Amino acid sequence: DAGVIQSPRHEVTEMGQEVTLRCKPISGHNSLFWYRQTMMRGLELLIYFNNNVPIDDSGMPEDRFSAKMPNASFSTLKIQPSEPRDSAVYFCASSMALAGGSQETQYFGPGTRLLVL
Amino acid sequence: GDSVTQMEGPVTLSEEACLTINCTYTATGYPSLFWYVQYPGEGLQLLLKATKADDKGSNKGFEATYRKETTSFHLEKGSVQVSDSAVYFCALSDRNTGKLIFGQGTTLQVKP
Repeated sequence: DAGVIQSPRHEVTEMGQEVTLRCKPISGHNSLFWYRQTMMRGLELLIYFNNNVPIDDSGMPEDRFSAKMPNASFSTLKIQPSEPRDSAVYFCASSMALAGGSQETQYFGPGTRLLVL
Repeated sequence: GDSVTQMEGPVTLSEEACLTINCTYTATGYPSLFWYVQYPGEGLQLLLKATKADDKGSNKGFEATYRKETTSFHLEKGSVQVSDSAVYFCALSDRNTGKLIFGQGTTLQVKP
């Protein structure tokens, strides 16, 4: 399997622009997680989906952030409008939720390095 | 809420030295415990895991034992290599939701 795929790997944009990050989870996985990594705050969970349904978005910082998962093989994280403080590395991860609710190991993508000028 | 605390870095060692990175956790219930490694410019990779008390996870010469009595999951390696230089994250997983809670990460630098 190719693993979790993220695009773009690098994004440089100007303040106020819309940014869309993309993720393709590992085939067969039914849970998907979006994280943000910064030097100041470390790794933060933004949102996660189970069977394409958002389960917990309490980590989404503001209304400027939104995430969708239209099908089992694709998810987007959108920032509109972007601000310099959004500069970070954004990771997508996927896992398999088992019967009874327990989760298997999360596998991470390579990340998208976002710089907002 | 649940939390993970790791020893602060950076940790600088000479090649073939012994490594210990301390990790303690606070959690309700019985979480699974993980060590992830992040090499420069890359995403996180699972290094090892343990799902219940007294389990020992091991991989690539690294080991960690799930100690319920001390709520710890310390990472150890007997002889480090330059290629082990990376950031190491301890994490716990809520069994029901699968949410991972990470420690702040510990940077390891191994010098030849």
